[in-house]
Amino acid sequence: DGGITQSPKYLFRKEGQNVTLSCEQNLNHDAMYWYRQDPGQGLRLIYYSQIVNDFQKGDIAEGYSVSREKKESFPLTVTSAQKNPTAFYLCASSIGTGDIDTQYFGPGTRLTVL
Amino acid sequence: KQEVTQIPAALSVPEGENLVLNCSFTDSAIYNLQWFRQDPGKGLTSLLLIQSSQREQTSGRLNASLDKSSGRSTLYIAASQPGDSATYLCAGTGAGSYQLTFGKGTKLSVIP
Repeated sequence: DGGITQSPKYLFRKEGQNVTLSCEQNLNHDAMYWYRQDPGQGLRLIYYSQIVNDFQKGDIAEGYSVSREKKESFPLTVTSAQKNPTAFYLCASSIGTGDIDTQYFGPGTRLTVL
Repeated sequence: KQEVTQIPAALSVPEGENLVLNCSFTDSAIYNLQWFRQDPGKGLTSLLLIQSSQREQTSGRLNASLDKSSGRSTLYIAASQPGDSATYLCAGTGAGSYQLTFGKGTKLSVIP
């Protein structure tokens, strides 16, 4: 089955730790995205990538880092510099970044800072 | 900066009723628009995409329209069912932009 997988589903982090969230897609999509969702809020874009080895900051990139070494994979690292990392993180992908592109979402990772 | 407002924030209707969800953008220059559904604790499921050259899209009991002159979109759900209960999110992009700006969603409850 084609789709987007995210792991883990739940993640707990201690203060000062870096953690990495996994996102994999087998849809052969060029573009991938990371969003953050807080309770009662809309999704906010953290980073996006249009092609392998290239990525751009979104609205709230501070305290996060990404890599795009393979087309299928777009991991997100939440660093200790992110002051309020507790949130629901969603990964998405699309064929490209043109106006006909539907974004498809993974099931999400819920990160909690202890 | 583009902002998206969804009204109402929550809606409860009896099963079988037709309903309309609203979405408005502060910048009416919307290039394309998507409606999504989100179940509790889950990711988003794309429902409808209105491309830049379109004004309306239909899928089964769902119909979405976009008035680009006013920057408003509506999602019409016909003959609602309990399985339609979820949060519905709209998101749009401006011309020349790939970045989706999301509303906060409308939480729909369909009562059997």
